[in-house]
Amino acid sequence: DTGVSQDPRHKITKRGQNVTFRCDPISEHNRLYWYRQTLGQGPEFLTYFQNEAQLEKSRLLSDRFSAERPKGSFSTLEIQRTEQGDSAMYLCASSLEALGLQETQYFGPGTRLLVL
Amino acid sequence: AQSVAQPEDQVNVAEGNPLTVKCTYSVSGNPYLFWYVQYPNRGLQFLLKYITGDNLVKGSYGFEAEFNKSQTSFHLKKPSALVSDSALYFCAVRDKKTSYDKVIFGPGTSLSVIP
Repeated sequence: DTGVSQDPRHKITKRGQNVTFRCDPISEHNRLYWYRQTLGQGPEFLTYFQNEAQLEKSRLLSDRFSAERPKGSFSTLEIQRTEQGDSAMYLCASSLEALGLQETQYFGPGTRLLVL
Repeated sequence: AQSVAQPEDQVNVAEGNPLTVKCTYSVSGNPYLFWYVQYPNRGLQFLLKYITGDNLVKGSYGFEAEFNKSQTSFHLKKPSALVSDSALYFCAVRDKKTSYDKVIFGPGTSLSVIP
């Protein structure tokens, strides 16, 4: 399967702990996005990368959140000192942007985080 | 600012009947429009998109959507619903004028197809 993959699929942690999620995009895609989705809502944009450069961060992304894409391939999203309000599904998506043409974003299966 | 509205939280339709899931949008310029479907505990699957050209867009699994600029709508349709179409449907928009690639999603519409 050459789609977007995310690991882990589920994570349960205690409040105050740090967690890290990984996303592997479709191999030829140069853009990678992180979204957060809570129950009954659509995905909310968090941040995105063009290759290894992080080009935009949402106001939703507090100082406790950090994302990296060091080699322009996989990405990690870390949440420090987790809070119960961080409980959500974290979705990763990737797309190929070429010659200014915005292509479709393809989503991974998501990582469901539960903070106790 | 760009936004997306899906006026119906829930749509119920009998199997074999046509279905429509409504979406309206607001952008400052011309839009890119998308529909995605989400099955329980799964990520979003791309169905179709409107970029330019023909207002009627055909996508995966027999779905289609019609772009109506005057009504700022992009309703999702299917001539004959299947039970397996039961899922959560999200409309999304991106403003072509923005310098960043941020897609705004609607709140979603839950579709139930009744056997």
